Amino acid sequence: EAQVTQNPRYLITVTGKKLTVTCSQNMNHEYMSWYRQDPGLGLRQIYYSMNVEVTDKGDVPEGYKVSRKEKRNFPLILESPSPNQTSLYFCASSLYRGGSDTQYFGPGTRLTVL
Amino acid sequence: SQQGEEDPQALSIQEGENATMNCSYKTSINNLQWYRQNSGRGLVHLILIRSNEREKHSGRLRVTLDTSKKSSSLLITASRAADTASYFCATAISDQTGANNLFFGTGTRLTVIP
Repeated sequence: EAQVTQNPRYLITVTGKKLTVTCSQNMNHEYMSWYRQDPGLGLRQIYYSMNVEVTDKGDVPEGYKVSRKEKRNFPLILESPSPNQTSLYFCASSLYRGGSDTQYFGPGTRLTVL
Repeated sequence: SQQGEEDPQALSIQEGENATMNCSYKTSINNLQWYRQNSGRGLVHLILIRSNEREKHSGRLRVTLDTSKKSSSLLITASRAADTASYFCATAISDQTGANNLFFGTGTRLTVIP
């Protein structure tokens, strides 16, 4: 089944403790992206990647890192999480250049930083 | 901000009625997409309309795009209780890297009463 998977689905952590949220797609998509969703603010893009070893900042990249060593994986790294990073995070992928075609979303990761 | 804005923020209708949601944006776009999100879950792509198209249909969905007014509307005909969800418009805008990133609005929360 074609899908985007994220792990973990739920995470409660404390300020400053490094964490990684994994994202994987099995559709051989070139473009992958991370969003965060906050009440009243909609979805905002954190980082995106147009292909392996190519990543770029989105609208709200501060406090986040990403890597794209393989085509299928695009982990989101929070080196020193803070409470303002408490949010619902979505990974998405699409065949080519992001908005040129359909984006497929993962199920979301709900992160709470205490 | 390059995010779109949906209107209304919330809409409540009876089953069988039509639901209309509007989206306004500020910059030139390559295409505009509508997504649906069931509570707390991943977004699901509904329809994509390109900047040179004026109207598109998919099942009970009808999308219009007016690039001169920088606005779009999503019409759901003969609504069902299962249509209850949040609906987001997303504008695809090219950046200097050649990516076609999506900018999401804050969504319309639709409730269909059985």
